[in-house]
Amino acid sequence: GQQLNQSPQSMFIQEGEDVSMNCTSSSIFNTWLWYKQEPGEGPVLLIALYKAGELTSNGRLTAQFGITRKDSFLNISASIPSDVGIYFCAGQLKGGSEKLVFGKGTKLTVNP
Amino acid sequence: SQTIHQWPATLVQPVGSPLSLECTVEGTSNPNLYWYRQAAGRGLQLLFYSVGIGQISSEVPQNLSASRPQDRQFILSSKKLLLSDSGFYLCAWEGQGAGNTIYFGEGSWLTVV
Repeated sequence: GQQLNQSPQSMFIQEGEDVSMNCTSSSIFNTWLWYKQEPGEGPVLLIALYKAGELTSNGRLTAQFGITRKDSFLNISASIPSDVGIYFCAGQLKGGSEKLVFGKGTKLTVNP
Repeated sequence: SQTIHQWPATLVQPVGSPLSLECTVEGTSNPNLYWYRQAAGRGLQLLFYSVGIGQISSEVPQNLSASRPQDRQFILSSKKLLLSDSGFYLCAWEGQGAGNTIYFGEGSWLTVV
């Protein structure tokens, strides 16, 4: 099936540093979503992107829908310890079924 | 506003016992509903999805089944659990409007012993 390549797989950073992660695919997507999952909880939607080139912020988080419609990135500025968790990208393929395709996640660890 | 709840939050079941996880959505009608499984805190595997009452699609062959007896109720079941069924199970519903946005429940930890 279709896959999203999400990288990096894990990140270990110091508090205050900026973080960047991305998802790429060989296929074109209509929608890109970014989720954060904390241990023992369900993923929570952070940002939803619906148009190529769209740049959206949610507090210290910024995500962009790539112009080619085959990629998206998520940036976190001035990280804090509560940013720890697993971040997932997800996308709906152009012309595909309604089901979303998920990346395998980026595990973020923030050292105080 | 819409909400989603699933239960139980955790359960420990012996091998060969039955399973029933329930999920309900409030504040919306005719949602698409999903069951995912997540192993070792990484990766989301789609198990079942439903576009309406009684309509279930299975993504992978497995020891589990799903049912949708009511518009906003989705149930994950098994007649006889296997050790390999252990994991974190997530129910989700699909939002209406622009794009396809999925919202997840709190998750259910299943340990088969």
